[in-house]
Amino acid sequence: GAGVSQSPSNKVTEKGKDVELRCDPISGHTALYWYRQSLGQGLEFLIYFQGNSAPDKSGLPSDRFSAERTGGSVSTLTIQRTQQEDSAVYLCASSTGAGNTIYFGEGSWLTVV
Amino acid sequence: SQQGEEDPQALSIQEGENATMNCSYKTSINNLQWYRQNSGRGLVHLILIRSNEREKHSGRLRVTLDTSKKSSSLLITASRAADTASYFCATLYYGQNFVFGPGTRLSVLP
Repeated sequence: GAGVSQSPSNKVTEKGKDVELRCDPISGHTALYWYRQSLGQGLEFLIYFQGNSAPDKSGLPSDRFSAERTGGSVSTLTIQRTQQEDSAVYLCASSTGAGNTIYFGEGSWLTVV
Repeated sequence: SQQGEEDPQALSIQEGENATMNCSYKTSINNLQWYRQNSGRGLVHLILIRSNEREKHSGRLRVTLDTSKKSSSLLITASRAADTASYFCATLYYGQNFVFGPGTRLSVLP
């Protein structure tokens, strides 16, 4: 696609439910990043993929968070047993390789009620 | 923390004035990038400056990098109301992922 595509754009879920957020990177981009941004705050790094492998998972805040990437393309971020503090914008970005310019999607707004 | 830190946290100027934002970081970097974010949605890439570069220009934007001081600055000249946004610097961390600072919120008043 022309840019990084994320879905859903907005998601409201009940506390305790699981959610899946999807990211479709720019075609040909091997590196994929997930960040989280709470209202009015900076970006919090979650996880980085190079191809299908995740050399850096250090930012995942708890074991309720997991992410996978298949076929070197689409990635899914899964949050299990959501909590209210999980409410944030989840931003996905991709690049042609580590250290190169990263391009962001519009994000997925998650609200846990 | 290895992240970049922007300052000021917030900046308010009149249209036509110049805006300068600074970013400091703690580790040696491969490159540093500046991004703009409108209304809490996706970030737009502005400029990438590599560690062996000292200054780059793009339209009304000028970025400088001082690796000895581990700092960078973003200058927006002749600011416009449309420049109102949050600006972030991102530093390449361990050669793999980018770490973002908390950002500078710029308000350009007409």
